[in-house]
Formats: sequence, C-alpha cells, structure tokens
Amino acid sequence: AQSVTQLDSHVSVSEGTPVLLRCNYSSSYSPSLFWYVQHPNKGLQLLLKYTSAATLVKGINGFEAEFKKSETSFHLTKPSAHMSDAAEYFCVVTPFGNEKLTFGTGTRLTIIP
Amino acid sequence: DAEITQSPRHKITETGRQVTLACHQTWNHNNMFWYRQDLGHGLRLIHYSYGVQDTNKGEVSDGYSVSRSNTEDLPLTLESAASSQTSVYFCASSLRDYPGELFFGEGSRLTVL
Repeated sequence: AQSVTQLDSHVSVSEGTPVLLRCNYSSSYSPSLFWYVQHPNKGLQLLLKYTSAATLVKGINGFEAEFKKSETSFHLTKPSAHMSDAAEYFCVVTPFGNEKLTFGTGTRLTIIP
Repeated sequence: DAEITQSPRHKITETGRQVTLACHQTWNHNNMFWYRQDLGHGLRLIHYSYGVQDTNKGEVSDGYSVSRSNTEDLPLTLESAASSQTSVYFCASSLRDYPGELFFGEGSRLTVL
C-alpha cells in the first residue's frame, strides 16, 4: 500500500523569497516519487522525479526536491519564488517501476507581489 | 508537435444520460489513463490501458467504462450519469519505459444536473 500526505493545503510566499512545499509518503516498496504542477485551467505537468538514483533531484523552472528515506519525506523547494510559480502542486508516489500513481491532495502556492 | 487532446472541454448533462469523453494522443504512447479531480481528493484513477485491447479498472471505476481500439484513443463513457460524477476529468499518457512520467490533457469539466 502507498499513500502521500501534503502537509499544507495552501502556502503563500512573497516574490523573491524561498518556497517550501512539504510532502511525506508511505510505501510498502521502494518508491518512485514525483512532483507535478497544475496551472489554472490546465493539465498537470511533470516538475521532477525521484527513481532511486541521486537523492537530490533537480527539476524544471529552478525547483528541486530531496528524498529523505529516514524521514519518509520528499519536500519541494525553490530558492526564489517568481509570480509564474503560482499554481497547484501535487506530490505523487508509486512503487518503483509501477504506473499506478497515488496523488496527494495538492498544495496551492500563492505568490505575493 | 505531439499532444494529447480532450473533448469536449466543458459539458453539462442530465442524470441518467450516457456521456462519452474523448481523449486523443499523438505521441504513440503505450499507456493511457483517465483520472478525475475533485476538491480535497487530488487525482483518482478511473481506468487505464497499457495497449490496444487492454483495459483495467482503477480505484474509482464504478459507473465508467473505456475501450482501446487503437493506440491514439481512449474514450471514457459514463453509462448513466449521476450527480456524483460531476468532476473534472483528465486523460494522460506515458511511455512504457518511463513509468510515472505522465503527459496530461487540459481536462474536461463535466456537470451532471
């Protein structure tokens, strides 16, 4: 069984300040972990993925995430927020090599000008 | 450019009517998926297919059906629409060699009155 918990439903940060979106996971198998982003009225887009290689993963648009097995966490960070980062972010878990994804409930990121 | 398209983007129907949502991808991806997105639930898997003539039930498949007669298309049918099926529906596709790396359509918003 697998599950993912996004610890904040809504995060607000000022433009130019760091972003931290928190995700904890549970998986009976070695997990693959993903972050997807959804801009308003759009489909989801893959931001980055962890699949048992390097624990620090870099994605698009300056985002990165670190896999911490001891803490069962996969938090998403960005050093400096941009207005275009305003969106919904989903943390996703699946057993390694499996296509059946389990999505978190999402974190809405608001950027304050 | 390759893409994945959904139609219609918006639909209003009445309880008991049959509804079909279309999904067409031009990436030649093996895998195709249908999800529904509801507030507080993230995305939940309805049905999925790993290739032509292959279909499988997801976690919320009751009241839905799919068929895969070619690589490009995976239509989703609601046999008898219910108000509980009011939602935003997303189609996605992926390559067999890259599990979890989904490409999403822009969604179909369905309202059942």
